Amino acid sequence: KAGVTQTPRYLIKTRGQQVTLSCSPISGHRSVSWYQQTPGQGLQFLFEYFSETQRNKGNFPGRFSGRQFSNSRSEMNVSTLELGDSALYLCASSLDGASSYNEQFFGPGTRLTVL
Amino acid sequence: AQSVTQLDSHVSVSEGTPVLLRCNYSSSYSPSLFWYVQHPNKGLQLLLKYTSAATLVKGINGFEAEFKKSETSFHLTKPSAHMSDAAEYFCVVSDSNYQLIWGAGTKLIIKP
Repeated sequence: KAGVTQTPRYLIKTRGQQVTLSCSPISGHRSVSWYQQTPGQGLQFLFEYFSETQRNKGNFPGRFSGRQFSNSRSEMNVSTLELGDSALYLCASSLDGASSYNEQFFGPGTRLTVL
Repeated sequence: AQSVTQLDSHVSVSEGTPVLLRCNYSSSYSPSLFWYVQHPNKGLQLLLKYTSAATLVKGINGFEAEFKKSETSFHLTKPSAHMSDAAEYFCVVSDSNYQLIWGAGTKLIIKP
Protein backbone atom coordinates (compact mmCIF):
# COMPACT_ATOMS: atom_id res chain seq x y z
CA LYS A 1 0.00 0.00 0.00
CA ALA A 2 1.43 3.38 -0.95
CA GLY A 3 2.15 5.80 1.85
CA VAL A 4 1.12 9.41 2.23
CA THR A 5 2.48 11.53 -0.57
CA GLN A 6 3.00 15.27 -0.57
CA THR A 7 3.78 17.54 -3.46
CA PRO A 8 5.84 19.48 -4.05
CA ARG A 9 8.66 18.44 -1.73
CA TYR A 10 10.37 21.82 -1.87
CA LEU A 11 9.04 25.27 -2.64
CA ILE A 12 10.53 28.74 -2.68
CA LYS A 13 8.23 31.74 -2.71
CA THR A 14 8.50 35.44 -2.00
CA ARG A 15 6.58 37.49 0.53
CA GLY A 16 3.06 38.34 -0.52
CA GLN A 17 2.66 35.38 -2.83
CA GLN A 18 0.33 32.50 -2.22
CA VAL A 19 1.04 28.78 -2.26
CA THR A 20 -0.93 25.55 -2.54
CA LEU A 21 0.35 22.28 -1.12
CA SER A 22 -1.10 18.90 -1.93
CA CYS A 23 -1.48 15.70 0.06
CA SER A 24 -2.66 12.27 -1.06
CA PRO A 25 -3.56 10.03 1.89
CA ILE A 26 -3.18 6.30 2.14
CA SER A 27 -5.89 4.55 0.18
CA GLY A 28 -8.98 4.09 2.35
CA HIS A 29 -8.02 6.78 4.86
CA ARG A 30 -10.66 9.46 5.22
CA SER A 31 -9.04 11.82 7.69
CA VAL A 32 -6.26 14.21 6.68
CA SER A 33 -4.50 16.52 9.11
CA TRP A 34 -1.99 19.27 8.41
CA TYR A 35 0.84 20.41 10.66
CA GLN A 36 3.46 23.13 10.54
CA GLN A 37 6.89 22.21 11.87
CA THR A 38 9.48 24.87 12.68
CA PRO A 39 12.64 24.66 14.81
CA GLY A 40 11.34 27.25 17.25
CA GLN A 41 7.69 26.19 17.61
CA GLY A 42 7.90 22.44 17.03
CA LEU A 43 4.87 20.76 15.47
CA GLN A 44 1.69 22.79 15.43
CA PHE A 45 -1.69 21.55 14.30
CA LEU A 46 -3.26 23.49 11.44
CA PHE A 47 -6.50 21.65 10.67
CA GLU A 48 -8.09 18.29 10.05
CA TYR A 49 -10.45 17.28 7.28
CA PHE A 50 -12.78 14.32 7.27
CA SER A 51 -15.18 13.50 4.44
CA GLU A 52 -14.58 16.89 2.78
CA THR A 53 -15.43 18.80 5.97
CA GLN A 54 -13.08 20.64 8.28
CA ARG A 55 -13.52 18.91 11.61
CA ASN A 56 -10.83 20.53 13.78
CA LYS A 57 -8.82 23.70 13.48
CA GLY A 58 -5.71 24.96 15.21
CA ASN A 59 -4.80 28.54 16.10
CA PHE A 60 -3.60 29.86 12.78
CA PRO A 61 -4.72 33.02 10.95
CA GLY A 62 -7.26 32.90 8.16
CA ARG A 63 -4.46 33.10 5.58
CA PHE A 64 -4.13 29.37 6.13
CA SER A 65 -6.94 27.38 4.59
CA GLY A 66 -7.54 23.94 3.25
CA ARG A 67 -9.97 21.65 1.57
CA GLN A 68 -10.54 17.98 0.96
CA PHE A 69 -11.84 16.37 -2.16
CA SER A 70 -14.19 13.43 -2.55
CA ASN A 71 -11.24 11.08 -3.07
CA SER A 72 -9.83 12.26 0.32
CA ARG A 73 -6.94 14.12 -1.29
CA SER A 74 -6.36 17.41 0.46
CA GLU A 75 -4.83 20.76 -0.34
CA MET A 76 -3.76 23.55 1.92
CA ASN A 77 -3.35 27.12 0.80
CA VAL A 78 -1.42 29.95 2.36
CA SER A 79 -2.13 33.42 1.04
CA THR A 80 -0.08 36.60 1.45
CA LEU A 81 3.01 34.70 2.51
CA GLU A 82 5.15 36.04 5.33
CA LEU A 83 8.76 35.23 6.19
CA GLY A 84 7.54 33.41 9.30
CA ASP A 85 5.61 30.94 7.16
CA SER A 86 8.88 29.25 6.21
CA ALA A 87 8.51 25.76 7.62
CA LEU A 88 8.08 22.09 6.92
CA TYR A 89 4.41 21.37 6.29
CA LEU A 90 3.39 17.85 7.17
CA CYS A 91 0.31 15.99 6.16
CA ALA A 92 -0.96 12.96 8.05
CA SER A 93 -3.75 10.56 7.21
CA SER A 94 -5.72 8.16 9.35
CA LEU A 95 -8.66 5.84 8.88
CA ASP A 96 -11.11 7.82 10.92
CA GLY A 97 -10.01 9.62 14.10
CA ALA A 98 -13.51 10.65 15.12
CA SER A 99 -14.70 8.19 17.75
CA SER A 100 -11.36 6.73 18.67
CA TYR A 101 -7.78 7.48 17.97
CA ASN A 102 -6.39 5.86 14.90
CA GLU A 103 -2.69 6.00 14.14
CA GLN A 104 -1.70 8.90 11.95
CA PHE A 105 0.62 8.17 9.05
CA PHE A 106 2.79 11.06 7.98
CA GLY A 107 4.05 12.13 4.60
CA PRO A 108 7.61 13.37 4.05
CA GLY A 109 6.50 17.00 4.13
CA THR A 110 6.80 20.05 1.91
CA ARG A 111 9.65 22.38 2.77
CA LEU A 112 8.45 25.95 2.14
CA THR A 113 10.95 28.78 2.09
CA VAL A 114 9.66 32.34 1.93
CA LEU A 115 12.16 34.97 0.81
CA ALA B 1 -6.19 21.95 28.80
CA GLN B 2 -3.82 19.21 27.82
CA SER B 3 -0.13 19.91 27.50
CA VAL B 4 3.07 17.92 27.18
CA THR B 5 6.61 18.76 28.25
CA GLN B 6 9.70 17.00 27.03
CA LEU B 7 12.27 17.67 29.68
CA ASP B 8 15.39 17.46 27.52
CA SER B 9 15.92 19.11 24.15
CA HIS B 10 19.00 16.93 23.51
CA VAL B 11 20.11 13.59 24.93
CA SER B 12 23.49 12.09 24.11
CA VAL B 13 24.35 8.46 24.90
CA SER B 14 27.01 6.01 23.82
CA GLU B 15 26.11 3.12 21.57
CA GLY B 16 25.11 0.10 23.64
CA THR B 17 24.08 2.11 26.73
CA PRO B 18 20.49 2.69 27.90
CA VAL B 19 18.30 5.47 26.55
CA LEU B 20 15.88 7.54 28.63
CA LEU B 21 13.79 10.29 27.05
CA ARG B 22 11.58 12.08 29.54
CA CYS B 23 8.05 13.31 29.01
CA ASN B 24 5.53 14.82 31.44
CA TYR B 25 1.95 15.59 30.53
CA SER B 26 -0.95 17.55 31.89
CA SER B 27 -4.48 16.34 31.33
CA SER B 28 -7.83 16.76 33.02
CA TYR B 29 -8.87 13.23 32.11
CA SER B 30 -7.24 9.92 31.29
CA PRO B 31 -5.27 10.71 28.16
CA SER B 32 -3.98 8.76 25.21
CA LEU B 33 -0.22 9.19 24.88
CA PHE B 34 2.16 8.51 22.04
CA TRP B 35 5.78 8.61 21.07
CA TYR B 36 6.72 9.44 17.48
CA VAL B 37 10.18 9.37 15.90
CA GLN B 38 11.47 11.51 13.07
CA HIS B 39 14.65 10.41 11.35
CA PRO B 40 16.54 13.01 9.30
CA ASN B 41 14.80 13.66 5.99
CA LYS B 42 12.17 11.03 6.74
CA GLY B 43 8.56 11.21 7.81
CA LEU B 44 7.28 10.89 11.36
CA GLN B 45 6.64 7.34 12.49
CA LEU B 46 4.62 6.07 15.44
CA LEU B 47 6.84 4.27 17.97
CA LEU B 48 4.19 3.30 20.49
CA LYS B 49 0.93 4.40 22.07
CA TYR B 50 -0.82 4.17 25.43
CA THR B 51 -4.61 4.06 25.42
CA SER B 52 -5.53 3.00 28.99
CA ALA B 53 -4.67 -0.67 28.67
CA ALA B 54 -1.34 -1.93 30.09
CA THR B 55 0.76 0.81 31.66
CA LEU B 56 3.97 -0.60 30.18
CA VAL B 57 3.79 -0.21 26.43
CA LYS B 58 6.16 -1.90 24.03
CA GLY B 59 6.91 -0.30 20.68
CA ILE B 60 8.99 -0.86 17.62
CA ASN B 61 12.79 -1.11 17.52
CA GLY B 62 13.05 -2.21 21.16
CA PHE B 63 11.58 0.96 22.66
CA GLU B 64 9.08 0.94 25.51
CA ALA B 65 7.35 3.51 27.68
CA GLU B 66 5.66 3.37 31.06
CA PHE B 67 2.56 5.38 31.90
CA LYS B 68 2.76 6.63 35.50
CA LYS B 69 -0.40 8.47 36.43
CA SER B 70 0.86 9.53 39.88
CA GLU B 71 3.87 11.20 38.29
CA THR B 72 2.04 12.31 35.10
CA SER B 73 4.93 10.88 33.14
CA PHE B 74 5.36 8.78 30.02
CA HIS B 75 9.11 8.30 29.69
CA LEU B 76 10.58 6.44 26.71
CA THR B 77 13.34 3.90 27.29
CA LYS B 78 15.50 1.43 25.42
CA PRO B 79 18.00 -0.92 27.10
CA SER B 80 20.76 -0.56 24.51
CA ALA B 81 21.15 2.30 22.02
CA HIS B 82 22.01 1.67 18.40
CA MET B 83 23.46 4.15 15.93
CA SER B 84 20.26 3.92 13.90
CA ASP B 85 18.30 5.32 16.88
CA ALA B 86 19.72 8.79 16.26
CA ALA B 87 16.65 10.88 15.50
CA GLU B 88 14.22 13.35 17.03
CA TYR B 89 11.56 11.93 19.33
CA PHE B 90 8.22 13.52 20.09
CA CYS B 91 5.91 12.84 23.00
CA VAL B 92 2.27 13.50 22.13
CA VAL B 93 -0.98 13.66 24.09
CA SER B 94 -4.43 13.39 22.59
CA ASP B 95 -7.00 15.90 23.80
CA SER B 96 -10.72 15.32 24.24
CA ASN B 97 -11.33 16.17 20.57
CA TYR B 98 -8.66 13.63 19.53
CA GLN B 99 -6.39 16.45 18.45
CA LEU B 100 -2.73 15.71 19.03
CA ILE B 101 -0.76 18.05 21.30
CA TRP B 102 2.95 17.73 20.52
CA GLY B 103 5.95 18.13 22.75
CA ALA B 104 8.88 20.21 21.53
CA GLY B 105 10.94 17.13 20.71
CA THR B 106 14.14 15.56 22.01
CA LYS B 107 17.09 15.04 19.72
CA LEU B 108 18.80 11.74 20.52
CA ILE B 109 22.51 11.65 19.69
CA ILE B 110 24.34 8.34 19.68
CA LYS B 111 28.10 8.40 20.22
CA PRO B 112 30.12 5.53 18.72
